[in-house]
Amino acid sequence: EPEVTQTPSHQVTQMGQEVILRCVPISNHLYFYWYRQILGQKVEFLVSFYNNEISEKSEIFDDQFSVERPDGSNFTLKIRSTKLEDSAMYFCASSERDTQYFGPGTRLTVL
Amino acid sequence: AQSVTQPDIHITVSEGASLELRCNYSYGATPYLFWYVQSPGQGLQLLLKYFSGDTLVQGIKGFEAEFKRSQSSFNLRKPSVHWSDAAEYFCAVGAYQAGTALIFGKGTTLSVSS
Repeated sequence: EPEVTQTPSHQVTQMGQEVILRCVPISNHLYFYWYRQILGQKVEFLVSFYNNEISEKSEIFDDQFSVERPDGSNFTLKIRSTKLEDSAMYFCASSERDTQYFGPGTRLTVL
Repeated sequence: AQSVTQPDIHITVSEGASLELRCNYSYGATPYLFWYVQSPGQGLQLLLKYFSGDTLVQGIKGFEAEFKRSQSSFNLRKPSVHWSDAAEYFCAVGAYQAGTALIFGKGTTLSVSS
């Protein structure tokens, strides 16, 4: 069964550094998403992406964040200058239409 | 405001006993409802979903959920719990439209005792 994959599984970075989280969505899916879950809190929507454009974004998704589909298979989330409060589990998801399928997540730790 | 409430943070059930996890939602449009499960170190796995039709929906791993519009609820049930069901369960609501955000509840952690 096709799955969403994410790399790395765990990333540790210093405050102020840039990080790129990578995702490979399910191959025939057209819609891509990023969510995050701060420890002990809800899973929160960050952004959705379709046809090389952002479809929807939350207030969390500020200028520090960007998304890109650099090639036909990868979907990335970049955080330009990480803050301590960016420490969270980041989930990528993809959908063919309305049902979203999630990857295993990348745990980001900002020191 | 759009939200999902899962009133139970942690539930412990004996193996073989029945299970019900509660979920209430507030959503401005016709809701599209989901239950996801997260095992330790794993991603969010889709258990089942509901948009329309029969209000009792069947999912994977023997789970079912019932949509009750009058109560704005979408409770998850399983008649007989297995030790492998121990995990965190998330209820989510969204629009029946691709590319839109899902709103999640805080999750319910299920422990299974022998």
